[in-house]
Parts: sequence; C-alpha cells; structure tokens
Amino acid sequence: DQQVKQNSPSLSVQEGRISILNCDYTNSMFDYFLWYKKYPAEGPTFLISISSIKDKNEDGRFTVFLNKSAKHLSLHIVPSQPGDSAVYFCAASAEAAGNKLTFGGGTRVLVKP
Amino acid sequence: EPEVTQTPSHQVTQMGQEVILRCVPISNHLYFYWYRQILGQKVEFLVSFYNNEISEKSEIFDDQFSVERPDGSNFTLKIRSTKLEDSAMYFCASSGGAGGPINTQYFGPGTRLTVL
Repeated sequence: DQQVKQNSPSLSVQEGRISILNCDYTNSMFDYFLWYKKYPAEGPTFLISISSIKDKNEDGRFTVFLNKSAKHLSLHIVPSQPGDSAVYFCAASAEAAGNKLTFGGGTRVLVKP
Repeated sequence: EPEVTQTPSHQVTQMGQEVILRCVPISNHLYFYWYRQILGQKVEFLVSFYNNEISEKSEIFDDQFSVERPDGSNFTLKIRSTKLEDSAMYFCASSGGAGGPINTQYFGPGTRLTVL
C-alpha cells in the first residue's frame, strides 16, 4: 500500500536548526493529515494535524504545510532539540472511508547536540 | 493527561492458540481502533468500532479476528487461532471525545505479540 510515502528514511540535523520532514500521498480522497512521533517500544504520539481546507497549521515548534495540488505535506520542527530524536510518521485519513489512518513508512530523525 | 492504555505489554503464545489483547481507550472517546505493525513494515489499520459495532475493517481482519467492548471501559481484540504471521505490535487507538475531532486518533503503547 503506497498511498502515503515518506521518501527519506532518515534525517540528521544539528540541535537548534530546522528539521524538515516530507510526505507524499496519492489518494485525492484524503482530507485530514496527521504527524505522529514514535519512540522505540512506545505507541505513536500525536503531534499536529491539518485539514485539507487549510495549507498551514502551527503549534509551538511544529508547523505542518499542505500542498494539495502536489499531494505533498511537510513537517517543520524549529528549533530542533535532542529530545526530538525519534521516528516520525505521516498519516492520512478520509471521512468517506471512516477516518481510518493510512501511514507512511516513517522518517528516523537524529538531532545532534 | 488522559491516555490510552494496553495490556499486556508483551504476549507470547503458541501457534493455534487464542489471544485477547486489551485496551482501555480515553474515557470520553467514542471511536475505537486497532492497528498493527509487523517488524520493519508500516503501521496498518485493522478495524474501527463505533456505537458497539464494527464500522470499518481491512482485508487483514478476517474471521480469525474479533473485537468487543464488553463494558464501558475496555476494548478487546481477539485472535482465535494465532498464526506465525500474526506476530506484530498491536496498537489500540481512540478518538472523538465530547466536541473533539473524530479524526485525531490517540494511540496506546502497544502489545507485542509473539507467536511461536
């Protein structure tokens, strides 16, 4: 199932700099997008979401951008902190499909002090 | 802060045995879900549950699987006769609290199921 793809399996960034994570999707029915953070042996933790009627949503250090025409979204983390080191998952849902989440494969972020 | 809890954290079973994975969703949530993640693969949807019935299920969720909300707090996933390929992390999620968005799902810590 390649409806949601995260093409970068890993990302390394210096503490204090910006982390940019990317996600692409193919299903035009998706109308809600989420980013989750996951530590080993834990469940996904919700970070931020965006509805398809918006193109930007910001919450503290986290900003999600949605480009519907390109079927692309990104997560910006600024400034990056060592505690941000984790795997980040992009997920998408469609109200017409019962809001089940379709996940990307994840991007492992390492923030270096 | 309210959270989803799951028990056990790790379950080891023999092939062909029945297992029940338990979840306590966030207390005022109305929508409940199970997902799984096989090692090295994506998190994948299994089933969603609302108003005491299944609202959506994936093709993975065959007759070997069932879900139940036996009381006002627990949500369970039963696998009747486990197979080796059922070994995975199983995550419970819930959403749709009073006035809250139904499409923001909150996940539990997971149960690691190992089938021998």
